[in-house]
Amino acid sequence: DQQVKQNSPSLSVQEGRISILNCDYTNSMFDYFLWYKKYPAEGPTFLISISSIKDKNEDGRFTVFLNKSAKHLSLHIVPSQPGDSAVYFCAASANRGNTPLVFGKGTRLSVIA
Amino acid sequence: DAGVIQSPRHEVTEMGQEVTLRCKPISGHDYLFWYRQTMMRGLELLIYFNNNVPIDDSGMPEDRFSAKMPNASFSTLKIQPSEPRDSAVYFCASSLGAGGSPNYGYTFGSGTRLTVV
Repeated sequence: DQQVKQNSPSLSVQEGRISILNCDYTNSMFDYFLWYKKYPAEGPTFLISISSIKDKNEDGRFTVFLNKSAKHLSLHIVPSQPGDSAVYFCAASANRGNTPLVFGKGTRLSVIA
Repeated sequence: DAGVIQSPRHEVTEMGQEVTLRCKPISGHDYLFWYRQTMMRGLELLIYFNNNVPIDDSGMPEDRFSAKMPNASFSTLKIQPSEPRDSAVYFCASSLGAGGSPNYGYTFGSGTRLTVV
């Protein structure tokens, strides 16, 4: 059973617009959440994280929002750029981030120029 | 640091053969993870080590899979005998914490694409 779900396998967005990637989780013990970005033939690279004590974390064009009551998080990319085209993975950890990361299946983002 | 180094990058083997995947973690990282990526299951954790000791291998699919970490700078994942359903991309990752180092999570290698024919 998938504890971390990314229900959209793919997303296309026009350059300059906002990209919103969504992630849902079922395990209420998760308290640390991360987003990874993966280009073809490369390993995933860390993008941004958020602890459950916050509901928002921002880093440049990237913002992650956490809604604990809905067990939902989202990644916003504004403005989207062609170089953002990649697969984005949502991941979660429990016990104040002391358990191995559980990943979603990923969402492929295509930013169209 | 050169990052997490995995070898080989690609492996094509015949069903029934033994396959060994290798990983060199980042120096100083005390956690090492083996993940497998498939279209159906995404990124799934196979096994992880802390200070060279296997902590949880419940993700290893079958007895055909085994992993070792003889020292802090080297780990192997072995499949014997290999089967076509083992075809996937296998990633090794290292970090300073089980859930990832603060502010940068895990560092992944580039992966080994395994094809079993």
